[in-house]
Parts: sequence; C-alpha cells; structure tokens
Amino acid sequence: AIQMTQSPPSLSASVGDRVTITCRASQGIRNDLGWFQQKPGKAPKLLIYAASSLQSGVPSRFSGTGSGTDFTLTISSLQPEDFATYYCLQDYNYPRTFGQGTKVEIK
Amino acid sequence: EVQLVESGGGLVQPGGSLRLSCAASGFTFSSYEMNWVRQAPGKGLEWVSYISGSGRTIYYADSVKGRFTISRDNAKNSLYLQMNSLGAEDTAVYYCARDDYGSGSYDYWGQGTLVTVS
Repeated sequence: AIQMTQSPPSLSASVGDRVTITCRASQGIRNDLGWFQQKPGKAPKLLIYAASSLQSGVPSRFSGTGSGTDFTLTISSLQPEDFATYYCLQDYNYPRTFGQGTKVEIK
Repeated sequence: EVQLVESGGGLVQPGGSLRLSCAASGFTFSSYEMNWVRQAPGKGLEWVSYISGSGRTIYYADSVKGRFTISRDNAKNSLYLQMNSLGAEDTAVYYCARDDYGSGSYDYWGQGTLVTVS
C-alpha cells in the first residue's frame, strides 16, 4: 500500500498567516491527490482534487501544488473558519490511503 | 441537492455483527462509485471499502477483508456495509462517500454513523 506522510502533525498560526501543509507519497502517484478539511464532529470536505484543482465553492485562498511524490496545500491568508484538521488522500490506486492529518490551531 | 444519510450504527458486543446503510438522493446513484471511510475516536481517516456503480468491482482495506462486505441496491439508491466478527478496533464513525469520476476524489460525504464495539 502507498504510504502518505503528512507534515506537520499540527501547527499554530494567526489569522492572516500563510500556511503550508505537505504530503509525501511513498511512490509516485502522478497528480492523483486530494485535500480535505475536517472540523470537529463534521464530515470531511473536499478542497482540492487532482493535486491542484479547486473544488467548486471552495475559497481561492486554498491552493494545491505537486506531482509525483511531493504535494503541498497552501492557505494564503488564514481565516477564522479555516481552523480545522486537513488530510491528503491518494486516489492513484487501492487501497486508498490518507495522510495522518494536520491540525491547524489558533496561535 | 446531493444527500448521503448513513444509518445502522450502534453498540455491539465483540464478535458481533452490524449492517450499515447509506441512503443516497439528489443524483443518479447507479452512475457513481461509492466508498466507506471510517474514523476511530480522536484518530485520522481510514478508507474501508469501494464499490463500482454496477457493483461488479469491489475493494477492501486489509484490516476488514474477510469480515466486511460492501454492497449496493441501485433500485433503492442505497449502499450497505455488512460488518461481521467486530472487534474493539472497529469502533469508529463510518462515513459513506461519493467517488466523483470528474475529480477522482470524494466530493460528497454523509454525516457519519457511530459504531461502538464493547
């Protein structure tokens, strides 16, 4: 199974900060990667698909880059509603595998 | 409006069985691949199982293979997960998620149903 290593596990940031989360795949997965946001007690929400495509309705402050094994989710200017946990998911093959998650907390 | 509503969770004893359901509406259910994803309390997301639109292609995580069975009834717009030989490690919120062929990712999720094995 492809291992997805996500970092950092958590970070503290202030409103307006630029935040970067990374995900590394144990083998090449082309651009078959999605990013999800999850708030406590809620289902995950798709933010980015195909590594860099913004899901409909998602604010443009979210962006994704990468291909092959290294991927990045960037929030250009953190907003109060962005404090949540973020996960990457490889959809290159089965079994699908998620990163361990990154909890974004208020500094 | 796309909606996915899970049901069937609850408290079950170790070694017991449970059947989860996911009722879909607002889209042509038979045209979409579907998945089950779970999340143990305080832990991350774990993919559990996949089923194609026709039901002919199925995949499972190693952790549930041989114990869980995914199925669907396209006439009833419903997805199922039959869970047998449950253990404490299966305690989690179980989500159904639609697999969007356009994005290749999970674009809609249900609210989740909690399964507690104790």
